[in-house]
Amino acid sequence: GAVVSQHPSRVICKSGTSVKIECRSLDFQATTMFWYRQFPKKSLMLMATSNEGSKATYEQGVEKDKFLINHASLTLSTLTVTSAHPEDSSFYICSARGASGSSYNEQFFGPGTRLTVL
Amino acid sequence: QKEVEQDPGPLSVPEGAIVSLNCTYSNSAFQYFMWYRQYSRKGPELLMYTYSSGNKEDGRFTAQVDKSSKYISLFIRDSQPSDSATYLCAMFSNGQNFVFGPGTRLSVLP
Repeated sequence: GAVVSQHPSRVICKSGTSVKIECRSLDFQATTMFWYRQFPKKSLMLMATSNEGSKATYEQGVEKDKFLINHASLTLSTLTVTSAHPEDSSFYICSARGASGSSYNEQFFGPGTRLTVL
Repeated sequence: QKEVEQDPGPLSVPEGAIVSLNCTYSNSAFQYFMWYRQYSRKGPELLMYTYSSGNKEDGRFTAQVDKSSKYISLFIRDSQPSDSATYLCAMFSNGQNFVFGPGTRLSVLP
C-alpha cells in the first residue's frame, strides 16, 4: 500500500521561531501534495496544494508568507511555519496523491504533526 | 448548499450493531468516492475507494454509491469499539481536487 510519513510527529516551540514539517511519500511518486490543518474535533481544513516543481496554490485566507510550502521532489514536500505564534498551534496533516491514472490516484495521508507554540 | 454534506454526529451505537454513515453531494461530475477513518490525533486512513455507482465490500465494510441520487453510504457490520472514530467521505472527478465531507463521529459502546 501507499505510505506517507510526516516528521516530526510532535513539536513544541517558542513564539517567534520557525518550524519545518516534512512530508514524504515512501513507496510512490506524489505528483501532488496537500497540507491540511485540523483543530480538535473539527474537520480537515485544506491550506494549500502543491505540485512538484511549481509554486503551491493556497486556499483563501491562508497566508503564503507565513506558511511556506516547498515541493522539491516527487517524494518530499515541506511546510515551514514562520514566526510561529500560539494561534498557529494545531494538528497539521499532509497527504500525497500520485498521477491521474496511476495506482495511487487517491489521497494518502500522513500521520500528522502536532504543533504547540508557547 | 455545501458541495458535500455529512451529518457530524456524534453517532453512538452498541457493540454489534450495523452502522450506516452517509454523505450527499451536489456535483454530478464526481466519479470517485472514498471513505476515510480518522482516529483521534491521527491522520485519516483510506478505508474504501469506489468508482461510479455500485457496491464494494471489504470485510465488515460495505460502500455504496448511488450517483442518480448523489448519495453515498458506508455500512459497518458487527461494529466494534475499535471502530470508534471519525469517518470522512471524499470524492473527486478527473483532474479536479478532492472534496471532503466534514466527518461523522462514531462511538461504538461496549
